[in-house]
Amino acid sequence: EVQLVESGGGLVQPGRSLKLSCVASGFTFNNYWMTWIRQAPGKGLEWVASITNTGGSTYYPDSVKGRFTISRDNAKSTLYLQMNSLRSEDTATYYCTRGEVWGQGVMVTVSS
Amino acid sequence: DVVMTQTPVSLSLAIGQPASISCKSSQSLLGTSGKTFLNWILQRPGQSPKRLIYQVSKLYSEVPDRFSGSGSETEFTLKISRVEAEDLGVYYCWQGTHFPQTFGGGTKLELK
Repeated sequence: EVQLVESGGGLVQPGRSLKLSCVASGFTFNNYWMTWIRQAPGKGLEWVASITNTGGSTYYPDSVKGRFTISRDNAKSTLYLQMNSLRSEDTATYYCTRGEVWGQGVMVTVSS
Repeated sequence: DVVMTQTPVSLSLAIGQPASISCKSSQSLLGTSGKTFLNWILQRPGQSPKRLIYQVSKLYSEVPDRFSGSGSETEFTLKISRVEAEDLGVYYCWQGTHFPQTFGGGTKLELK
């Protein structure tokens, strides 16, 4: 069974950092691009970052570019999202996705 | 950025009625590969999003055939031939042709 399990969320102060992880199982991880998508409370979906299957290229929207870094460890079948200089508007549930398969999400709350 | 406009914002239907959701993009979603990366996903209350349709009209294997997708270039439609209770939730269209990837605002399907 294909599974994506996120972890690493929590409450963090504005300006601080947090690193999310997503462990994949049930498929050949290094064959797939991977993506992080977030959803602020009561709001719609927003694309956060994507990475190619080799990790050679990464893509971000302007809202997180320069603050967030997506990476992967294919040997560990794990996707990461390093989030720096966090802002209140980054408060959201963060989903790891292969596009057609989604994790259960992890909550990040940025507040003093 | 490509703006995805979904209508209606909400739908209130009885079991067995048909449903139709429109998604319009601010520019063509036909990619240089000749493929159109327009997806539909469903988020049931309290759950993470689930896949429904990819590349405009291709249903994932587990999706009932009462769902269908159509359209091209900038105008797309998701149809449900007969709504069932399990279809309730928020439907999103999502374009992956252009970076940044963008989502429609969502259509909430409720039971009348």
